[in-house]
Amino acid sequence: DAGVTQSPTHLIKTRGQQVTLRCSPKSGHDTVSWYQQALGQGPQFIFQYYEEEERQRGNFPDRFSGHQFPNYSSELNVNALLLGDSALYLCASSSLGQGFSGYTFGSGTRLTVV
Amino acid sequence: AQSVTQLGSHVSVSEGALVLLRCNYSSSVPPYLFWYVQYPNQGLQLLLKYTTGATLVKGINGFEAEFKKSETSFHLTKPSAHMSDAAEYFCAVSSATGNQFYFGTGTSLTVIP
Repeated sequence: DAGVTQSPTHLIKTRGQQVTLRCSPKSGHDTVSWYQQALGQGPQFIFQYYEEEERQRGNFPDRFSGHQFPNYSSELNVNALLLGDSALYLCASSSLGQGFSGYTFGSGTRLTVV
Repeated sequence: AQSVTQLGSHVSVSEGALVLLRCNYSSSVPPYLFWYVQYPNQGLQLLLKYTTGATLVKGINGFEAEFKKSETSFHLTKPSAHMSDAAEYFCAVSSATGNQFYFGTGTSLTVIP
């Protein structure tokens, strides 16, 4: 049973560019959350998707947007990249339909903005 | 609203010694509490969780934590540290629905041979 899968594992982008990160949740999970973890910091909540809609959002600008597909997979898009967007982006999945019991995290995508 | 405070951003213990990582929470609703471990350049792995029921919870790799409502604490312990325990540890608090899930700032554990 595959856990949470994220792609790509690493990427380098130039300031001002746009990036799309992808996440496939653990089998049986219907909710996907995205977190940003800067170096030496704890994960910061970006947003959560359930039933293809953004359910909750953290304190991130509109440059950060997302999408959830009918198969529960999700994308995180970041526009107009800034140097400060360099971080590890973590996807986490959970099940709301069966009752929340915690998040399963992927290994993350390491984004470097130069 | 929920929040988490982890006391001690860096903790060092000798191999074989007791590990104690502190976590205090603030929650306006009955909390769900979690400890995650993160090894370098990896994602977060769930160590243990408290949702309801027994307040002493046991997790993987010999770790355990006790939910103490009166002290609003959920400290993580392990009787005997192993070199492989060296990692970053995060405490997290959540509502029962998971739509308010917040991490602490983390504690880096160093194990000294």
